[in-house]
Amino acid sequence: TQLLEQSPQFLSIQEGENLTVYCNSSSVFSSLQWYRQEPGEGPVLLVTVVTGGEVKKLKRLTFQFGDARKDSSLHITAAQPGDTGLYLCAGVKGAQKLVFGQGTRLTINP
Amino acid sequence: EPEVTQTPSHQVTQMGQEVILRCVPISNHLYFYWYRQILGQKVEFLVSFYNNEISEKSEIFDDQFSVERPDGSNFTLKIRSTKLEDSAMYFCASSVDRGHNSPLHFGNGTRLTVT
Repeated sequence: TQLLEQSPQFLSIQEGENLTVYCNSSSVFSSLQWYRQEPGEGPVLLVTVVTGGEVKKLKRLTFQFGDARKDSSLHITAAQPGDTGLYLCAGVKGAQKLVFGQGTRLTINP
Repeated sequence: EPEVTQTPSHQVTQMGQEVILRCVPISNHLYFYWYRQILGQKVEFLVSFYNNEISEKSEIFDDQFSVERPDGSNFTLKIRSTKLEDSAMYFCASSVDRGHNSPLHFGNGTRLTVT
């Protein structure tokens, strides 16, 4: 069974602070994706990382794929209330089968 | 922007009844998927579908489940005899192709409640 563990599961911080969310597995994935899910909606893809060691930036969000392609991190700089939401990582196995982590529920307080 | 649409948004059914969850994938997409999320748990893969065949299915997708593309636009998930533990959000997704360059687009889900 391939498992992806995200930490922390819950994070509540003040506006302007920085934060990092981690996604760890004992399995190797062909690529890893980060999603954001709003209440009552499906997951929306933020980024896909493919190469070990790859770093991608999306405005204030920085995504990194571990060298061994087993883990990933999401770093948010100067968090804003609009960043509040559920962040999911998903490892891609084979042809588009996604293995999801349990999610990190992030709350940014004004 | 085109999107995956799912109906109904909420379905309540009694244990033992059959339900059909409907999805309209994005029109030029060729690969279709169902995932589910039991309340408070992870999003789980159920099945992938391409060229009118199941490509891959999980252990969850037992004989009670079936998928169909009855026409050129709809993609359905049927649960033959629902159980209490089938209560979950069911997400349909589609993609143009396979591989990491072809991301999945998810619908907003159908909340299935089995009583």
